[in-house]
Amino acid sequence: AQSVTQLGSHVSVSEGALVLLRCNYSSSVPPYLFWYVQYPNQGLQLLLKYTTGATLVKGINGFEAEFKKSETSFHLTKPSAHMSDAAEYFCAVSESAGGGNKLTFGTGTQLKVEL
Amino acid sequence: DSGVTQTPKHLITATGQRVTLRCSPRSGDLSVYWYQQSLDQGLQFLIQYYNGEERAKGNILERFSAQQFPDLHSELNLSSLELGDSALYFCASSVGISGNTDTQYFGPGTRLTVL
Repeated sequence: AQSVTQLGSHVSVSEGALVLLRCNYSSSVPPYLFWYVQYPNQGLQLLLKYTTGATLVKGINGFEAEFKKSETSFHLTKPSAHMSDAAEYFCAVSESAGGGNKLTFGTGTQLKVEL
Repeated sequence: DSGVTQTPKHLITATGQRVTLRCSPRSGDLSVYWYQQSLDQGLQFLIQYYNGEERAKGNILERFSAQQFPDLHSELNLSSLELGDSALYFCASSVGISGNTDTQYFGPGTRLTVL
């Protein structure tokens, strides 16, 4: 089974600072990786995904992530944090399950943005 | 707005009771997924349906069951409820063609509280 590990359950940055949220995966096959964001009392919204091709993936709201096979990582970054980025972020890997597929999520990282 | 709708938004019930959660997928999506989000277990995959048929099963209890109807909406039935079933239940949908590379779009969730 595949898995993802998110280092740091809580990350705090100043407004305007770099955001770096870490995700490492474990997979015996080429992984399909996703980042989702969850705002308070809302569902999960897709930020970006990596399937094949370009290893630097750009997403919504200025976020991007780089797939590094050698490091089994898919870290999420944003050059300049905004107050509206405060939310919980989930890294996920998509894998086959029976005759279908499923997402396996990391434990999430709560991002706090301070003035 | 992801286009996935879930009802009800909140549900409060007592132990031993049975409830039904409903999900309508995005227009054109054939796959529906159910996930449970709790503080101790995180986000966990429960079950997937594709065009009315069960495709994948995760950590779904025997007291829980689901189905997808001909109009593609889905229902998750939870019976003999226990305090530990209190959680946020998400439905997601995807086109269902590309399998592991499909993007899953999440609904706003149903918050279940078992007293």
